[in-house]
Amino acid sequence: EAGVTQSPTHLIKTRGQQATLRCSPISGHTSVYWYQQALGLGLQFLLWYDEGEERNRGNFPPRFSGRQFPNYSSELNVNALELEDSALYLCASSFSRLAGGHAGELFFGEGSRLTVL
Amino acid sequence: AQTVTQSQPEMSVQEAETVTLSCTYDTSENNYYLFWYKQPPSRQMILVIRQEAYKQQNATENRFSVNFQKAAKSFSLKISDSQLGDTAMYFCALPSSGGGADGLTFGKGTHLIIQP
Repeated sequence: EAGVTQSPTHLIKTRGQQATLRCSPISGHTSVYWYQQALGLGLQFLLWYDEGEERNRGNFPPRFSGRQFPNYSSELNVNALELEDSALYLCASSFSRLAGGHAGELFFGEGSRLTVL
Repeated sequence: AQTVTQSQPEMSVQEAETVTLSCTYDTSENNYYLFWYKQPPSRQMILVIRQEAYKQQNATENRFSVNFQKAAKSFSLKISDSQLGDTAMYFCALPSSGGGADGLTFGKGTHLIIQP
């Protein structure tokens, strides 16, 4: 069974441009989480999608946005890129968190490395 | 608010030694799970072990075991017979309260280096 897949693996952009990152969850998972892992800052929660809707967002500006498609895959968009957006962006999936009843374990993709020059 | 604290930014041990990584947490939940994730240089976060809070028995997965002390809110990871492939960042994690709104709350991680 395929795990969580993310694309692209690496992305290089310049300040002011837009970046789009993609994530496909494990089959059967409807919850998708995005995390930013910047050097020295650990994992910072960005966004949570479940059943096609944004359910929660972390403490990030509105230029970080995304969506979840009917097949539960997800896209993260970062507009007006700034140098400090350079980071590893991790996507994780799980069974629906809306219904509860499971451990809360997340399954991660390999991440997309975004470099802003 | 939930917190997860890993007080050891970096540890280094010799191959075949035993090493213990510490983690303390705070939560208002009564029943919950705790996780240790490993992030090798290849970047992918991999679940190492999980513990259910209402189970008194400590979880074990091959060379990995935990020392879970619920009253003290402590959840340490012991790696026995350490191997070079154990070199990685290790993160302690706790599911967020309130229905999973933040996914997992992670500690800042411990960089474990296994020396040959």
